[in-house]
Amino acid sequence: DAGVIQSPRHEVTEMGQEVTLRCKPISGHNSLFWYRQTMMRGLELLIYFNNNVPIDDSGMPEDRFSAKMPNASFSTLKIQPSEPRDSAVYFCASSPNWALYGYTFGSGTRLTVV
Amino acid sequence: AQKITQTQPGMFVQEKEAVTLDCTYDTSDPSYGLFWYKQPSSGEMIFLIYQGSYDQQNATEGRYSLNFQKARKSANLVISASQLGDSAMYFCAMRANYGGSQGNLIFGKGTKLSVKP
Repeated sequence: DAGVIQSPRHEVTEMGQEVTLRCKPISGHNSLFWYRQTMMRGLELLIYFNNNVPIDDSGMPEDRFSAKMPNASFSTLKIQPSEPRDSAVYFCASSPNWALYGYTFGSGTRLTVV
Repeated sequence: AQKITQTQPGMFVQEKEAVTLDCTYDTSDPSYGLFWYKQPSSGEMIFLIYQGSYDQQNATEGRYSLNFQKARKSANLVISASQLGDSAMYFCAMRANYGGSQGNLIFGKGTKLSVKP
């Protein structure tokens, strides 16, 4: 089992550019979560999907952020346009069933917007 | 509203000794789960241990145990026989099993543990 796979590991981009973060959950896991970690705010849930359907996106900061899960094995988090305050580590996590099991996290994407 | 509080920003422990990391929580949901994660300097989030709100016994996983005191709303992590590799940030987290926030794993601010040789 390869675990939750995120790409890229590091991303440096200029303000105003579009950024796309990618996640491949563990096969068979039907819940997928996007978290953001910053020093100021800690770990925050941005959005989560159950069976590819967005369930709760109340944590998405604003319209510049969007997330999709076109199939059970792939999800993207897009920021357009990016701003320096979006700099953070973005984690993807998956779970076989969010109500019964813990969440397995990917290694994260460290995003720096200059 | 749900909340996780970790009051110890940093802790030191001597190698081979036991250490307790504090965690208190607040929720009105009758059913919930409590988790501890470890984040080493490399940045990944590693699941350590889980306790369900209806579990009668405290959870244990190897050198990790969770001291669950439901009436006090506390879920302290105990690490026995500390090792140098235990040096990391430790996060307590909670998930409600019902209500509008179900599925959201809410994290505390973390405790940085340093193990001294």
